[in-house]
Formats: sequence, C-alpha cells, structure tokens
Amino acid sequence: AQSVTQLDSHVSVSEGTPVLLRCNYSSSYSPSLFWYVQHPNKGLQLLLKYTSAATLVKGINGFEAEFKKSETSFHLTKPSAHMSDAAEYFCVVPSGYSSASKIIFGSGTRLSIRP
Amino acid sequence: DTAVSQTPKYLVTQMGNDKSIKCEQNLGHDTMYWYKQDSKKFLKIMFSYNNKELIINETVPNRFSPKSPDKAHLNLHINSLELGDSAVYFCASSRPGGATGELFFGEGSRLTVL
Repeated sequence: AQSVTQLDSHVSVSEGTPVLLRCNYSSSYSPSLFWYVQHPNKGLQLLLKYTSAATLVKGINGFEAEFKKSETSFHLTKPSAHMSDAAEYFCVVPSGYSSASKIIFGSGTRLSIRP
Repeated sequence: DTAVSQTPKYLVTQMGNDKSIKCEQNLGHDTMYWYKQDSKKFLKIMFSYNNKELIINETVPNRFSPKSPDKAHLNLHINSLELGDSAVYFCASSRPGGATGELFFGEGSRLTVL
C-alpha cells in the first residue's frame, strides 16, 4: 500500500536561510508524488509534482524536490526562506492511478520563518 | 472567477441542526471531492464523485450525504450535527487525464458546532 511519512511536524528557520522539509514514501511501484502548501485560513495549493520524468522537480515560489528511489524520499527544499513561506506543507501520494484512487496526505509540516 | 468556490466560508451552529455546504468548480473538471481537515491539520477523504457518480465513499457516518447535481457541483449535507463534526471541510476537483493526485482546492468551509 502507498503511504507517506513527513518526518517533522514543525520546522523553524530564519529568513534567508535554506528550507528542508522531509518526506519518505512507501510504495510497491514507482509512484507519483506531490507537495502541497496551505497558507493560514486558505485552501491547499499544488507546489510541485513528480510523475516519473526528471527526478529533480521545480515548483512555484522557488521550491524544488528531488525524488530519490534508493532512499524512498521526496524532500522539499528552498535555498532561501521568505516570510511568505510560513505555511503548512503536505507530502502526497495517490494510492493508484484510476479516478477511484484515494489521494493520501502526509500529516503535514508547519514551516515557521524567524525574522 | 474563482476556480473552486465553496459557500459558506464559515458556519456556526448548534448540535442537532442540519447544515449544507455547497461547492462549484468552473474548471471543466469531472471529478470532485470532499475532504475533512481536523484541528491537527490532518486531511481525510470523505467522498469523491466522477461525472456525478459516487466513486469513493469512506467510512463516514450516514448523517453526511453528498449530492452532485452535475459535474460542476458537489454539495455536502450534514444531518443532526455533533460536536465532533467541527472541522474545516474542503472541496476539491481534478481534471480528466491529469496526474492522479493533482487536485484543485476551494478555500474551505469552517464548521463550528456548539
């Protein structure tokens, strides 16, 4: 069965420093993987997606993630944090590839940015 | 021209009441979802419709009844509200042929049951 584990419930960094949000996945086949962002009192927005093309995926707002099959990881990074990056981040994997497949969300990582 | 819109954004009601949340998408998508987000931000799928047909029905009390009058609309009706129903409810949609897992979310409807 597909699953994702977000290793940190809360990450705090200073503005201008790098961001690393960690996600490990479990899958019986090479999955699609996604990162979503949720700003306070807002809906979720797709940040980036991996669908078995290039392993390094670039997303919006300067974020990127690297699919590492050997480590079963899909960590989200950004070279320099901005105050507007403060939000909740979700790593996501679908349980399959049909319209009836469930989309499985990780437990979320809250990113705080210190001035 | 909001892509996925939900109404109302906030709902405060008493236990035992019945309430509805409406969702509309103008993206031309054919699959729509209801998710529940609890106070710890955990997201749980409740229902999914594809072209007005129910395709995912998670273990949700039958007090919750979704209805899809057409593929652009998915409403959620909740009977006999309980304290534990307090949460943020998100509607989402996905496009035909899109990557499974690529969802477009509304801004959420925060339900508070007193």
